Amino acid sequence: AQSVSQHNHHVILSEAASLELGCNYSYGGTVNLFWYVQYPGQHLQLLLKYFSGDPLVKGIKGFEAEFIKSKFSFNLRKPSVQWSDTAEYFCAVIVSYNTDKLIFGTGTRLQVFP
Amino acid sequence: NAGVTQTPKFQVLKTGQSMTLQCAQDMNHEYMSWYRQDPGMGLRLIHYSVGAGITDQGEVPNGYNVSRSTTEDFPLRLLSAAPSQTSVYFCASSFFQGYMIETQYFGPGTRLLVL
Repeated sequence: AQSVSQHNHHVILSEAASLELGCNYSYGGTVNLFWYVQYPGQHLQLLLKYFSGDPLVKGIKGFEAEFIKSKFSFNLRKPSVQWSDTAEYFCAVIVSYNTDKLIFGTGTRLQVFP
Repeated sequence: NAGVTQTPKFQVLKTGQSMTLQCAQDMNHEYMSWYRQDPGMGLRLIHYSVGAGITDQGEVPNGYNVSRSTTEDFPLRLLSAAPSQTSVYFCASSFFQGYMIETQYFGPGTRLLVL
């Protein structure tokens, strides 16, 4: 069965540090990829997505992600984090043979200190 | 637009009790789904629906029942609550782009405690 791995479970950074959160999936066919964010006490919202085209996608709040098909990866990046980026981040994938189901990774908790 | 709404926000049940978590969306989305969120396990799909009258099982369907009589509503029923069902439950809705579901819009969640 397909799966999504987020190897960083808990990341702690100081403001202005750079961020990269890993996401790998285990499926070789066509995929749609998402990053969702859950701020404390709030529901999940879309950060960015990749369906096709330019593998470098830009999302809200200065986040970007790069789809590297050969590495089955969709890592999330931000050059300079802010305290307000403290949240939980989820990578998710839809695969072409199972298009009704969004599969989530286990999430990465990011804490940013001033 | 209210988006996706869920009620109640918080519920305490005793083992063996049944209850229904309500979910409604006003975006005319064909696709609706229920997830549970547990620490260290991310979100796991319980049940989903691709349209009124059509439902299917997700990754963790046991102990839960759903129905979809209208496009707007997708209630989740706990048949006989167990402590293992203590969790935060999220409802989401989406539309199809071609044959794949697009961005999912999530409700605020229901926090359930089963004693």
